Amino acid sequence: GAVVSQHPSRVICKSGTSVKIECRSLDFQATTMFWYRQFPKQSLMLMATSNEGSKATYEQGVEKDKFLINHASLTLSTLTVTSAHPEDSSFYICSPAGGDEQYFGPGTRLTVT
Amino acid sequence: QQPVQSPQAVILREGEDAVINCSSSKALYSVHWYRQKHGEAPVFLMILLKGGEQKGHEKISASFNEKKQQSSLYLTASQLSYSGTYFCGTEGGGADGLTFGKGTHLIIQP
Repeated sequence: GAVVSQHPSRVICKSGTSVKIECRSLDFQATTMFWYRQFPKQSLMLMATSNEGSKATYEQGVEKDKFLINHASLTLSTLTVTSAHPEDSSFYICSPAGGDEQYFGPGTRLTVT
Repeated sequence: QQPVQSPQAVILREGEDAVINCSSSKALYSVHWYRQKHGEAPVFLMILLKGGEQKGHEKISASFNEKKQQSSLYLTASQLSYSGTYFCGTEGGGADGLTFGKGTHLIIQP
């Protein structure tokens, strides 16, 4: 199976700053990238879907200007949380997909103080 | 630590039953089950939190063993719409979130 990495695995930032999360699929071409967040002890919540080279499609209630997604290549997608606030503290997971394959990244724990 | 799913893939005829297993070497806080269809985002099926728990309905149900290290997803009298990839996600109870298994590909044939 493919190797999917996320960086950083954990990040603590101050309120008002921006944080970029990278998702890399090391040996797999991700034509589609799903970004999720998970609140403690809850199921995944889909935030947005992006296809390589296209603008992301955001789920209802997810602010596209706050959660910037870039999917410029088949092996790299980034999620930038802009002007982060404590309520953005969560576990963010990327899920690359392509062909018949789908994988999950190991997740990034974001804590905003 | 990534949970282990089995089988890796299974092909059934419509109406047959399937069992998908998910196991961990350590006791878990919870197990989540998702189904993903080709080109779509995975869809949440259910979450199990208690040891010995069984939940779901007649057609799709799941169990969580007493030791909270193993969960099984049961698909009864499978339908064509059940085809897809099934993932289990586990939580260890600490600050980390879900860790997913590699998935089980389920193909239902007419």
